[in-house]
Order: sequence, then C-alpha cells, then structure tokens
Amino acid sequence: DVKVTQSSRYLVKRTGEKVFLECVQDMDHENMFWYRQDPGLGLRLIYFSYDVKMKEKGDIPEGYSVSREKKERFSLILESASTNQTSMYLCASSHRALSGNTIYFGEGSWLTVV
Amino acid sequence: SQQGEEDPQALSIQEGENATMNCSYKTSINNLQWYRQNSGRGLVHLILIRSNEREKHSGRLRVTLDTSKKSSSLLITASRAADTASYFCATLTAMNRDDKIIFGKGTRLHILP
Repeated sequence: DVKVTQSSRYLVKRTGEKVFLECVQDMDHENMFWYRQDPGLGLRLIYFSYDVKMKEKGDIPEGYSVSREKKERFSLILESASTNQTSMYLCASSHRALSGNTIYFGEGSWLTVV
Repeated sequence: SQQGEEDPQALSIQEGENATMNCSYKTSINNLQWYRQNSGRGLVHLILIRSNEREKHSGRLRVTLDTSKKSSSLLITASRAADTASYFCATLTAMNRDDKIIFGKGTRLHILP
C-alpha cells in the first residue's frame, strides 16, 4: 500500500521558533511537494522537488525553505515561525512525469504558531 | 492565479440523490484529476481524465471533460453519508518546460441522512 507519512500530525510552536516538518514516502517517487491549505484559499504550493537536492519555488515560498537529502524524505523548514504560518501543511509525492500519474498525499500536519 | 475553480462552493443533498460538482479552468491542460478530502485529512485521488477523453467512469463516479468550454464535472450517483467530504479538481498544465498541477478551492459536499 502506497504511503506518504508526515511525522507530526499536530504541532504548537512559539513565534520565532524554527520548525521542521518531515515527510517520507515509500514509493520511490521522484517528485515531492509541500502545500499549505487554508480556509477559502484552497491548496497553495510552497515548494517542490523533482530529485534529490533539487528544489523549485512554488507559489508562496516566502518564509519557508526545504531540504531533500534523500529521495524518500522532503523536509519543510520554517526558519522563524510567525502566526500567519498557522495552517494545515500537506506533503505529496508522484512519479516524475506528472502526466497520467497520481499525486499521493500525506495525512497533513496541523501547525499552530502562538 | 487560480486555475481550477469548483462550483458550487458547498452542496447539501439527501442520501440517495446524485451530486454534481463542476470545475472550470483557464488554460490548456494535459489532464484533469478529481480528489476527495475528508475533514482534517489528506487528499485522496479519485479519477483522472486526459485531455483527449470526454467521459470516464469509476464505480459511482462519472467525470466528463469539455475542453472547448474548459470545464469538467464530477457526478456521484446514489450518494451515501460516507461521501460527505470536500472535492477538488486539479489540472495538469505544461508551463514553459515544467509540468504544473494546480488545485481548485474545492466543493464541500454534505450528504443529509
């Protein structure tokens, strides 16, 4: 059974803290994605990676960075968390050629910044 | 800018009725996919339709695609309580050299007992 695992389901962090959100997939997918989901705004792409050590900015990369040291793992980093980063974060993965391929999502990480 | 826009934003129907959701998009696409999201959970892939296809079925799901109108519809027949969820369309479009998948804001479907 295919699986995208997000390490933390619920987190509460203080303003200014450094936050790591970890994602692991077991499908040998080349592509990995980080989205955030907010009410009324839908899913917005933060960063994606199409290979190890490769990364591309999505639509809202400001305030975030990512790391892809191994093919199966994609980390989202909030260098200095702010209250406007309170959100649901979704990790996803797919094979390289998006055409005809499904994107698989993790269960999401609810982050609250206080 | 938003590519896929679902319509309606919210829909409540009686159990057993059919539910229809629509998605409109702006640019040419390679394919269009529909996903379901139960409250507080991740998205689950339902069905993919390619740009050269007009209709596709999967169990109680029927998806149509009209590329001339840049729109798609998702029909769920004989709805059940378990169908209560948000439904998203996602379009795959090639921008420059890169594939890009863009999600709509979703339709919240509520099945009334």
